[in-house]
Amino acid sequence: EAGVTQFPSHSVIEKGQTVTLRCDPISGHDNLYWYRRVMGKEIKFLLHFVKESKQDESGMPNNRFLAERTGGTYSTLKVQPAELEDSGVYFCASSHRTFSGNTIYFGEGSWLTVV
Amino acid sequence: GDSVTQMEGPVTLSEEAFLTINCTYTATGYPSLFWYVQYPGEGLQLLLKATKADDKGSNKGFEATYRKETTSFHLEKGSVQVSDSAVYFCALTNSNYQLIWGAGTKLIIKP
Repeated sequence: EAGVTQFPSHSVIEKGQTVTLRCDPISGHDNLYWYRRVMGKEIKFLLHFVKESKQDESGMPNNRFLAERTGGTYSTLKVQPAELEDSGVYFCASSHRTFSGNTIYFGEGSWLTVV
Repeated sequence: GDSVTQMEGPVTLSEEAFLTINCTYTATGYPSLFWYVQYPGEGLQLLLKATKADDKGSNKGFEATYRKETTSFHLEKGSVQVSDSAVYFCALTNSNYQLIWGAGTKLIIKP
C-alpha cells in the first residue's frame, strides 16, 4: 500500500513568487492534514480536511495560504505570494478516522526555501 | 493552551548506552500521546503511542509510559544503535484532533 506522497520534495523560489505543494493521501483516508515546521521551530498544525471539506483551518497563518481538496482525494497548498518566513518543511498527513488516538501517517515533506 | 515540552538536544551517546528523552505536557482533558521519529532525509514516522493513563507504548526497543500524575511521556531505550540517530518528536492530540508538537530532540549515536 502506498503511503502519503508529497510533491515537490524540494522547492526554491524567490520572494513574491507562487508555489503549489501537492499531497496524495493513503487511499481510503478521508482525513488529510497539513503541518509545517519553519526555521527550526515546532511543527505547527495548518489545517484538516475531512473528505473535501475543511474541518479545521485555524492554523492557517494568513490569506497568502490557500488549501484545496477537490473531490476529496489529493490536496494542494498554494502559497501566494511567498515570503522569506515561509521557508521550512511542509508535511502532509492522512488518517482513516478522526479521533484522538488514531494513527496519523505522514509524508516525507515538501522542503520550501524562499530566497 | 495545550503544549509539549521536550529536552533540548542534541543528545550525543555512545552505542549501547541507555537513552532517555524527557517529555512533559500540558493539556486539558485526556490527550493521546505520541513519539514520532524523523530519520535523516526521511519524513515523520510514528514510533509509538499511548492513548490513556498508565499505557505503555513500545516499538523497536523504545518504550514510553503515559504518566498522568507527572504529565510525562519519557522515551527510553536500553541500548541504542548508530541507526537510532534521528530527530525525535513528542506530541499529543488535542480536543480538535490537532497534533501539538514538542520542539524535537536530535539524537546522535557514536560508534
